[in-house]
Amino acid sequence: DAEITQSPRHKITETGRQVTLACHQTWNHNNMFWYRQDLGHGLRLIHYSYGVQDTNKGEVSDGYSVSRSNTEDLPLTLESAASSQTSVYFCASSDRLVGELFFGEGSRLTVL
Amino acid sequence: GNSVTQMEGPVTLSEEAFLTINCTYTATGYPSLFWYVQYPGEGLQLLLKATKADDKGSNKGFEATYRKETTSFHLEKGSVQVSDSAVYFCALNNRLAFGKGNQVVVIP
Repeated sequence: DAEITQSPRHKITETGRQVTLACHQTWNHNNMFWYRQDLGHGLRLIHYSYGVQDTNKGEVSDGYSVSRSNTEDLPLTLESAASSQTSVYFCASSDRLVGELFFGEGSRLTVL
Repeated sequence: GNSVTQMEGPVTLSEEAFLTINCTYTATGYPSLFWYVQYPGEGLQLLLKATKADDKGSNKGFEATYRKETTSFHLEKGSVQVSDSAVYFCALNNRLAFGKGNQVVVIP
């Protein structure tokens, strides 16, 4: 079965370190998204991509970057982790711009 | 811009009670509306959707009607079960805007 997987599921890091969260989907979806989930804020969009070599900033993109070199993967990089980036991160994909989003199980990141 | 507002605070109710979660939106044009559910320790999954005014989405006993005149998409279920305990998110055209979510706790 097609799926979307995130790794690592749990990560503890220190302030200032670079961190990369992986997202891999096997549906061949063009559209991929990264969200963070925080208590009191719900889901907030970080970055998104409509296809290979395409990336766009969401509402909370500062301190994050993404790259899309193939259809299956959209890694999220924190260049210099900050305590404010402690959160649960969700990757999602869809085959149409207004179609159903398929979510990964999330990556819990703690920045000490 | 596009935004979604969900009622504040968690919802706690007894098994077989009636559930309503309010959702209102602000958007230009004619957006599609969605409800997603997040069970403990999992990612979100689509519960139901409506793509035009007066459409009713339904799934697993849940229903929501797209009301353009009141810009609302309230979620309802007539008789909840313990297994419905989860966080529910209202969303507008998917990635553009999510509500903050409502924690629903159903007590046996």
